[in-house]
Amino acid sequence: EVQLLESGGGLIPPGGSLRLSCAASGFTFSDYGMNWVRQAPGKGLEWVSAVSGGGTTYYADSVKGRFTISRDNSKNALHLQLNSLRVEDTALYFCAKERLAGGLGHFEHWGQGILVTVSP
Amino acid sequence: DIQMTQSPSSLSASVGDSVTITCRASQDINIRLNWYQQRPGKAPKFLIVAASTLQSGVPSRFRGGGSGTGFNLTISSLQPEDVATYYCQESYGTPYIFGQGTRVEI
Repeated sequence: EVQLLESGGGLIPPGGSLRLSCAASGFTFSDYGMNWVRQAPGKGLEWVSAVSGGGTTYYADSVKGRFTISRDNSKNALHLQLNSLRVEDTALYFCAKERLAGGLGHFEHWGQGILVTVSP
Repeated sequence: DIQMTQSPSSLSASVGDSVTITCRASQDINIRLNWYQQRPGKAPKFLIVAASTLQSGVPSRFRGGGSGTGFNLTISSLQPEDVATYYCQESYGTPYIFGQGTRVEI
């Protein structure tokens, strides 16, 4: 059974940094692309970033240059480094696994999400 | 970037009704369109891939269709457990864009 467990969220002032992690189990982690998707309070879903199984990274324009996605295949872990945080980055951040090995853009499994609150 | 527009933003129907949600892309995305269900307080659930292929375990009352720029999600015989917000999402290329969501109530 695929399991994704996010951690690392919290309350952070504007301009601060935070590192989110997603512990994955139940599948061959290195074979699959992984994503971060966020949801601001009461709002819709917004794709944030992806990393392919081979390590190629992709970002939404809203976070490019501020957020960095990475993966540690030896520890079955996905990370998102959030720098220069803004109030508008406040959201529930979901880790999501791709549907197919080698594929991108199909978010088959989701974690429960971790809350990041950016506030003075 | 591709823009995805869903309609309606919300709807209310009775148990047993058939409801249809529409999703329109700002450019031709072939059938690179997915649907998700998000029940209140829960993580999204992957319902449909490639416009019309149901994920394993998704009830057959869910049906997806369309191609190019126009897509739809139909729930025939609406059930209480279908109360949720439904999102379309294009997988044509990054950035992956979601529709704004359609809230379905009973």
